[in-house]
Amino acid sequence: QKEVEQDPGPLSVPEGAIVSLNCTYSNSAFQYFMWYRQYSRKGPELLMYTYSSGNKEDGRFTAQVDKSSKYISLFIRDSQPSDSATYLCAVLRSGNTPLVFGKGTRLSVIA
Amino acid sequence: GAVVSQHPSWVICKSGTSVKIECRSLDFQATTMFWYRQFPKQSLMLMATSNEGSKATYEQGVEKDKFLINHASLTLSTLTVTSAHPEDSSFYICSARDPGQGTNGGELFFGEGSRLTVL
Repeated sequence: QKEVEQDPGPLSVPEGAIVSLNCTYSNSAFQYFMWYRQYSRKGPELLMYTYSSGNKEDGRFTAQVDKSSKYISLFIRDSQPSDSATYLCAVLRSGNTPLVFGKGTRLSVIA
Repeated sequence: GAVVSQHPSWVICKSGTSVKIECRSLDFQATTMFWYRQFPKQSLMLMATSNEGSKATYEQGVEKDKFLINHASLTLSTLTVTSAHPEDSSFYICSARDPGQGTNGGELFFGEGSRLTVL
């Protein structure tokens, strides 16, 4: 079993839709959870960073973590064409350890 | 915010040649940098952890003699792909953690990536 599982999509939604992106992870040692956005031919950029179970909101983005089920989600409200990108979840144990990434979900928001 | 700069962003080379990619932390010092590789439509796969002043730690399956990593200063790590072959064509991305931002050791920033095409 891979450490992080993420459906690669592609996912296509109309402008204004609510988007739900999800990942599961296998090791309860992971303590930090991130969502990155990656545009084509660019490096990933950090969107959200959470630690505890629960919700964290930032503008149109909400990150949700459920440590009991090892499930993490990213919700995008009022999606825009500019949100079209690949979204990668990532998990981190602690300290100076590297991130472990999901495969990424390719999202297209159609105007 | 902090910036990680990667150079070159795009390189095309002939099979058998060596290519060097630089990763710089522009306004912070990074004792550790990470090198990832990303094939088309795939996720980022960690290749190695670069440690300033000491040897890099390579992930299983990554040839240390082929992918030479040098972290000579607190702001620069280099990845050299030696005797590159077409199967080495990929998107190489470095990252570094800024201990002054974020929690638990600092926020991780990524370079823009270097796209290598080996003919």
